Amino acid sequence: DIQMTQSPSSLSASVGDRVTITCQASQDIANYLNWYQQKPGRAPKLLIYDASNLDTGVPSRFSGSGSGTDFTFTISSLQPEDIATYYCQQYDNFLLITFGQGTRLEIK
Amino acid sequence: EVQLVESGGGLVQPGRSLRLSCAASGFNFDDYAMHWVRQAPGKGLEWVSGISWNSNSIGYADSVKGRFTISRDNAKNSLYLQMNSLRAEDTAFYYCAKGDGWANWGQGTLVTVSS
Repeated sequence: DIQMTQSPSSLSASVGDRVTITCQASQDIANYLNWYQQKPGRAPKLLIYDASNLDTGVPSRFSGSGSGTDFTFTISSLQPEDIATYYCQQYDNFLLITFGQGTRLEIK
Repeated sequence: EVQLVESGGGLVQPGRSLRLSCAASGFNFDDYAMHWVRQAPGKGLEWVSGISWNSNSIGYADSVKGRFTISRDNAKNSLYLQMNSLRAEDTAFYYCAKGDGWANWGQGTLVTVSS
């Protein structure tokens, strides 16, 4: 099975800061990677698909990059409404999906 | 508008069974793979199982293999998860999600396994 190592597990930043989260796959997954935002009591919301494509309606301050085994998720200018937990997900094999452990983002 | 509505959760004793359902609307259900993902309270996301559009390909997480069975009825636009031999560690919110993009999730149904 493919393991996803996401870091950091938690992050505190100020409004306006640039925030970066990384995800490393245990083997090559090409660009089969999604990034999600999840707020308490809500289902995950897809932000980035295929490693770098912004889903419809997602603000442009969110971005993703990477391919193969190393991936990065960035918020260019943190907003108060971005407080949430963020997850990466690989789907190299659509019947053996794995998620990263999550990154809890807080406002400093 | 795509809608996924889970049902069937509740309180169940260890060792017993429960069947979850996911009613889909707003898209051609029989064109897409579907998945179940769960989240224990305060924990991260865990993929549970997935099924291809025609039910020919099915996968399970090791944690549920042999106990859970995924199925679908394309005529009823419905996805199911039969959960047998339930354990306390199966306590979680269970979400269904539309494959091929993963942009659409249900609101989740809570399964609590406790005596």
